Amino acid sequence: SAVISQKPSRDICQRGTSLTIQCQVDSQVTMMFWYRQQPGQSLTLIATANQGSEATYESGFVIDKFPISRPNLTFSTLTVSNMSPEDSSIYLCSVVKDNLSYEQYFGPGTRLTVT
Amino acid sequence: AQSVTQLGSHVSVSEGALVLLRCNYSSSVPPYLFWYVQYPNQGLQLLLKYTSAATLVKGINGFEAEFKKSETSFHLTKPSAHMSDAAEYFCAVSDRNSSASKIIFGSGTRLSIRP
Repeated sequence: SAVISQKPSRDICQRGTSLTIQCQVDSQVTMMFWYRQQPGQSLTLIATANQGSEATYESGFVIDKFPISRPNLTFSTLTVSNMSPEDSSIYLCSVVKDNLSYEQYFGPGTRLTVT
Repeated sequence: AQSVTQLGSHVSVSEGALVLLRCNYSSSVPPYLFWYVQYPNQGLQLLLKYTSAATLVKGINGFEAEFKKSETSFHLTKPSAHMSDAAEYFCAVSDRNSSASKIIFGSGTRLSIRP
């Protein structure tokens, strides 16, 4: 398994500001992902965080709104830019340790409220 | 495109009764399939996964699921519900032909347990 921590665990932000969420893993992993879970909804994949290169975004998500970094094999950040109340969600980081297992481990999530 | 459909957004059973949560997938080839559980205010935890070995998969906490290709189903069951099973359950699918390990989640089923 993998132990994943996210910071902050929750935050309340004003519209128009930006928040950077950190994801730290206790061991090197092959892949890291960022998901959004809107209130009462399922998880939607935002992007795949690629080490040393630009993230791969899913349809409906763009780099200007959700810039992502992954400087090494254990750490990634997601920034939610120019926030609006519609961005109020739980943001989850997940990792895959090896490509053979296809097993993803999830962090505890960051609960974001935008006022 | 791959997808999963979870029938029933909310299931309520009595303590000690059978739990059955339904999941059907749509894929041109048998995919990898997963069940995740999310307890209130927590991240996701993997219950079990199907990766083309045995069609009956046993997971944690007494849960199991059976892969039925003819029915394109991967229903989750537990013989006897416990109060601690109350949570949100997500069925998910991953394309075995993709190296990206992306997981697509179903809409989720909230399981309630009646005393």
